[in-house]
Amino acid sequence: QKEVEQNSGPLSVPEGAIASLNCTYSDRGSQSFFWYRQYSGKSPELIMFIYSNGDKEDGRFTAQLNKASQYVSLLIRDSQPSDSATYLCAVNIDISNFGNEKLTFGTGTRLTIIP
Amino acid sequence: EAQVTQNPRYLITVTGKKLTVTCSQNMNHEYMSWYRQDPGLGLRQIYYSMNVEVTDKGDVPEGYKVSRKEKRNFPLILESPSPNQTSLYFCASSLKSRGGQSHEQYFGPGTRLTVT
Repeated sequence: QKEVEQNSGPLSVPEGAIASLNCTYSDRGSQSFFWYRQYSGKSPELIMFIYSNGDKEDGRFTAQLNKASQYVSLLIRDSQPSDSATYLCAVNIDISNFGNEKLTFGTGTRLTIIP
Repeated sequence: EAQVTQNPRYLITVTGKKLTVTCSQNMNHEYMSWYRQDPGLGLRQIYYSMNVEVTDKGDVPEGYKVSRKEKRNFPLILESPSPNQTSLYFCASSLKSRGGQSHEQYFGPGTRLTVT
C-alpha cells in the first residue's frame, strides 16, 4: 500500500466552481499534513498546512483533516484558470524522538479549470 | 530574499562522468533534503540532513552521495551517473520539527538532469 495516495486525475472543474482534491495516508502516527501546488516544470509551493482534525480556511482554500479516517482534502472555492496545476499532498512522519522527519508525497492530482 | 538556490538548472552529461549539483539556503534552516521527480512516480526523497554533519538515506539513495559541511549548503553528488538518473531534482529546506509538528519545506527551482 502506498503511504500517501491521491487520484492522479485529470480533474476538470468549471471556472467559479468548487474543486475538491482528496488524499489518504497509511501511517496513523502522522501529525503534519501539507498541500503543495506545482505548475508544470516549476518547484512545489505551499498552499496550506494542517495539524488538527477539522477545517482550516485561508482565502479560497480550505484544508480538511480526519485522522480517524486517515483522510485529508483541499477545497478550492471560486476556481480560477490560474488554479490549473498539479496539487501534491504531503505527510510528515516523526520517525524518532529527536525530531527526525520524513516528508512523503503523493503522486499529485492534475487539476484543470475550464473557462 | 529568503530562498533556496540550485545550480546548475539544466545539465546534460554522459554516463560515468562525476557531477555535483549544489544547493544553498539563506534561511538558517536545520533540515535539508534532496528529491527526484519522475512522471507517474511523484517526488521521492533521495537523502536528507537534520543538521551539519548529520545525513541519512531517503527512499532512493542508490547512486547518490551527499555532504553537509556547512549549515547553508547541501550538495548532491553523482559519482558515476547512469541514464536511469535522468530526472528533475529538487532541493528543499525547513526548520526542524518541534513537538512532532513539522514546518513548511521551501523548494529550490529544480535541476533538470539528462544522462546519455
